[in-house]
Amino acid sequence: NAGVMQNPRHLVRRRGQEARLRCSPMKGHSHVYWYRQLPEEGLKFMVYLQKENIIDESGMPKERFSAEFPKEGPSILRIQQVVRGDSAAYFCASSPPTGGLDTEAFFGQGTRLTVV
Amino acid sequence: TQLLEQSPQFLSIQEGENLTVYCNSSSVFSSLQWYRQEPGEGPVLLVTVVTGGEVKKLKRLTFQFGDARKDSSLHITAAQPGDTGLYLCAGAGGTSYGKLTFGQGTILTVHP
Repeated sequence: NAGVMQNPRHLVRRRGQEARLRCSPMKGHSHVYWYRQLPEEGLKFMVYLQKENIIDESGMPKERFSAEFPKEGPSILRIQQVVRGDSAAYFCASSPPTGGLDTEAFFGQGTRLTVV
Repeated sequence: TQLLEQSPQFLSIQEGENLTVYCNSSSVFSSLQWYRQEPGEGPVLLVTVVTGGEVKKLKRLTFQFGDARKDSSLHITAAQPGDTGLYLCAGAGGTSYGKLTFGQGTILTVHP
């Protein structure tokens, strides 16, 4: 059973370009979460999506950032007009559709974005 | 806003020593998870604790959830160099089980 797959693993963008990060959840998982880890900081929640729905985007910056999880295909985190401060590791996690309090989220290996 | 305070931030010990990492909050969590993260990789789940007072053991690692479900600890017995890494606690609130609040992490170094 393949784990959470993220690509690319490393992404370099010039200031002002767009960054597109992809996440394929584990098989059978329909809930996807995106987190950002800035250098020397912990992971911060960004957005929670289910298929075709944004459930909670309370951690997303108000501008330039968007996320989607279409009916078919991977979840996409899009950052428009990147700035140097966007340089970070972006992690995706997935969890199954139903479960109790011990439902667990599994993380991908992350995409390391560097803005030059 | 839920916050998790993790301590210590850095821990450097000799092989064979015991250690404890703490995770504290003023908020109640539905569950609390412990992860280990290697450089350049994603967090790997070690354990999930759900019930107040719960204790779980994973070989030389012992995890405890506080009675009030506001704090947790990770105890490692007879640490080995292979235990070196970043340890993260993360709390889940409500029914969004994957929406986690992370502590700042503890960087553990075990010297041979």
